[in-house]
Amino acid sequence: AQSVSQHNHHVILSEAASLELGCNYSYGGTVNLFWYVQYPGQHLQLLLKYFSGDPLVKGIKGFEAEFIKSKFSFNLRKPSVQWSDTAEYFCAVNGITGGGNKLTFGTGTQLKVEL
Amino acid sequence: EPEVTQTPSHQVTQMGQEVILRCVPISNHLYFYWYRQILGQKVEFLVSFYNNEISEKSEIFDDQFSVERPDGSNFTLKIRSTKLEDSAMYFCASSLKPGQLWDEQFFGPGTRLTVL
Repeated sequence: AQSVSQHNHHVILSEAASLELGCNYSYGGTVNLFWYVQYPGQHLQLLLKYFSGDPLVKGIKGFEAEFIKSKFSFNLRKPSVQWSDTAEYFCAVNGITGGGNKLTFGTGTQLKVEL
Repeated sequence: EPEVTQTPSHQVTQMGQEVILRCVPISNHLYFYWYRQILGQKVEFLVSFYNNEISEKSEIFDDQFSVERPDGSNFTLKIRSTKLEDSAMYFCASSLKPGQLWDEQFFGPGTRLTVL
């Protein structure tokens, strides 16, 4: 079975601070990895995804994530956060099996960026 | 930009009642999903649906749950006899390509179900 853990449940940062949100997954095979964001009152939106190739992936709004296979990690980073980045961030994994496309989510990290 | 829509945004029901949550996936998508999030907990997979049948379901998706695509646009989740523990936010999602694991799932805004 696949599982995802996110280490930080609540993070508070000042504008322009750097952000790193941790994500570790557990799965015995090949995985696809995702970060989703949910802004207050809005849908879950895809920030970025990793399927193969360059382990450093860039997403929307200046976010990036690095897949480190040996550490089973896919941490999300942003060099300088803005107030508008206040949202909840979810790491998710899709294990490659013969089955469907279900996503397994982490518990989420609530990010608050203060002016 | 096309988006997944869900109705109602909030549903309040009495324990034991049946509820139907509705979703309109993105029009050319072929794979449909339901997830739920109990307050303070993870988003959990319930079921995936393709070609008019269930592709995969979780252990949460027991006989009280069913899904249907009654016409060319709607995708519904029915809970036959609601329990207090069914109170959650229910998210519908859709994706374009069946069986393509790099495919992106697009999520709707959710329906908050409250069972009293």
